[in-house]
Amino acid sequence: DVKVTQSSRYLVKRTGEKVFLECVQDMDHENMFWYRQDPGLGLRLIYFSYDVKMKEKGDIPEGYSVSREKKERFSLILESASTNQTSMYLCASSLYPGYGQPQHFGDGTRLSIL
Amino acid sequence: AQSVTQPDIHITVSEGASLELRCNYSYGATPYLFWYVQSPGQGLQLLLKYFSGDTLVQGIKGFEAEFKRSQSSFNLRKPSVHWSDAAEYFCAVGGPDRGSTLGRLYFGRGTQLTVWP
Repeated sequence: DVKVTQSSRYLVKRTGEKVFLECVQDMDHENMFWYRQDPGLGLRLIYFSYDVKMKEKGDIPEGYSVSREKKERFSLILESASTNQTSMYLCASSLYPGYGQPQHFGDGTRLSIL
Repeated sequence: AQSVTQPDIHITVSEGASLELRCNYSYGATPYLFWYVQSPGQGLQLLLKYFSGDTLVQGIKGFEAEFKRSQSSFNLRKPSVHWSDAAEYFCAVGGPDRGSTLGRLYFGRGTQLTVWP
């Protein structure tokens, strides 16, 4: 089974801090994704990556950046955290950049910005 | 553009009753369709997927879904619901279409299922 591991289940940070959310997958998947999940809004794509050092903006990239230095690891960075970034963050991966590939999800990081 | 609509935000059923969760998609080409389930505090787990062929697909945990091209729908069903099925359910679509991004899935906003004992 594919395992996608997010480094923290719960995280509390202060406004203005630089925040790193880490995600690791163990199945040599090409694609990795970061989503934000808020009640009533479903999943919104922040960034995704097809390969090492490659990234593409999703629907809501403002205030976020990403890093993919190694194939198995995809980091989401909040450059200067704000209270409106309090949310559940989900990482996902899929095997290769083909159409219709199912995505495999981590358990999420619930981030609170105070 | 691709989009998914789940018309029901919240559904309540009694344990043992049948279940149908609705999903409508907007897609210009042949879609790849998915249903995911999210239990409280967890990530999303794939229930089933449709790519082509038989329009009735079977998934895990006793769920099935039927693809109806004429109605642009992919509804999820279960004949007899168990209390452990209480969760949030997400429909998703992907595939080659104008403006579609390779590898991306588009998710609906989810349907929250409550099961009465």
